[in-house]
Amino acid sequence: GENVEQHPSTLSVQEGDSAVIKCTYSDSASNYFPWYKQELGKGPQLIIDIRSNVGEKKDQRIAVTLNKTAKHFSLHITETQPEDSAVYFCAASRSNTGKLIFGQGTTLQVKP
Amino acid sequence: DGGITQSPKYLFRKEGQNVTLSCEQNLNHDAMYWYRQDPGQGLRLIYYSQIVNDFQKGDIAEGYSVSREKKESFPLTVTSAQKNPTAFYLCASTSPGTSGGETQYFGPGTRLLVL
Repeated sequence: GENVEQHPSTLSVQEGDSAVIKCTYSDSASNYFPWYKQELGKGPQLIIDIRSNVGEKKDQRIAVTLNKTAKHFSLHITETQPEDSAVYFCAASRSNTGKLIFGQGTTLQVKP
Repeated sequence: DGGITQSPKYLFRKEGQNVTLSCEQNLNHDAMYWYRQDPGQGLRLIYYSQIVNDFQKGDIAEGYSVSREKKESFPLTVTSAQKNPTAFYLCASTSPGTSGGETQYFGPGTRLLVL
């Protein structure tokens, strides 16, 4: 079945360093890849997304890259800050199905 | 959390009891979803509805039921058949993507605990 693998499960960085989270998807028909940030006890918040017609998208300190051939996509956070500490989820879906398949999540800790 | 509200924030269930979680959205979204989140795991789809009066089972529908009588509302009932209901429940709704893909927005969640 459809599956999304996310690594690492935990990531600890020093403030100011970069953080990279990687995901691999199994369904080659997937064409939409959102990333969510979830703080403790709250619902996930969309932070960035990418569609299969582009290879990279950037929004200030956050960027996402997509390699359709390898079925990989990654989240890059530069100049990390303590408020970036949270659980991050990747997901994948096909257009018009509305069904998101989520990765297992990465707990990011940014040490001041 | 956008225009999606979930209530209550915490819910306690006694053994053998059915409980209903509320989800309301004022975003005029057609599609709505229910996910279950367990510690250390990703979100798993319980049920979803793409239009009023229609809904489909997700990956873990057993022990749950839903209704979609209004566009704004998608309540989830956790029945007594669900033997391990303790989890964080998240509701979401979808805005169709402008160039393909579905942008989902989540509510704040309901934490269900068993007494």
